[in-house]
Amino acid sequence: GAGVSQSPSNKVTEKGKDVELRCDPISGHTALYWYRQSLGQGLEFLIYFQGNSAPDKSGLPSDRFSAERTGGSVSTLTIQRTQQEDSAVYLCASSPSLQETQYFGPGTRLLVL
Amino acid sequence: QKEVEQDPGPLSVPEGAIVSLNCTYSNSAFQYFMWYRQYSRKGPELLMYTYSSGNKEDGRFTAQVDKSSKYISLFIRDSQPSDSATYLCAMNRGSTLGRLYFGRGTQLTVWP
Repeated sequence: GAGVSQSPSNKVTEKGKDVELRCDPISGHTALYWYRQSLGQGLEFLIYFQGNSAPDKSGLPSDRFSAERTGGSVSTLTIQRTQQEDSAVYLCASSPSLQETQYFGPGTRLLVL
Repeated sequence: QKEVEQDPGPLSVPEGAIVSLNCTYSNSAFQYFMWYRQYSRKGPELLMYTYSSGNKEDGRFTAQVDKSSKYISLFIRDSQPSDSATYLCAMNRGSTLGRLYFGRGTQLTVWP
């Protein structure tokens, strides 16, 4: 079956612009996560969604970052007024529930000039 | 100090060598321990998954957890060039909190 897909694969933007990153989780998975991977760093948790519960936003680095998940499926991560330090690979993962294996997508490589 | 520490390497070994990868952690609440493998420009994929202390073996891979020392290891026997990747340790508290805490990853190269 299809895995987690993310789009775009690569995104180059100018400082100050807004960007939207999309994640399509595996069908039927109720939990969806966003992580950020900066050069030479491990994955940094950003936010997760579980079913209809309120999302855990505790990892979002600033109020320029937001995410939503529509209809319990597709998720969009939005970064407003991008900064150069936002350059990273943004990874999405999904799992059947919060306590099961997380399956990762290929990531979106964001470069802010 | 990060909650999960992992030596980033790089680590370079000849084909057939035994590889040892390690992580330490500070949060005694961690109960589930994972190793992910990440090839260049790909997302991480789960390699091994263990609960609490002990050993788990899967083919050429063995994962060890020592909760008393807050130390986990991944051993790769008979390493192959196809094992060349970045290996990330990850862990969580195993409650309803599903977020994973990752190490920085160790870059491994196995040369023929």
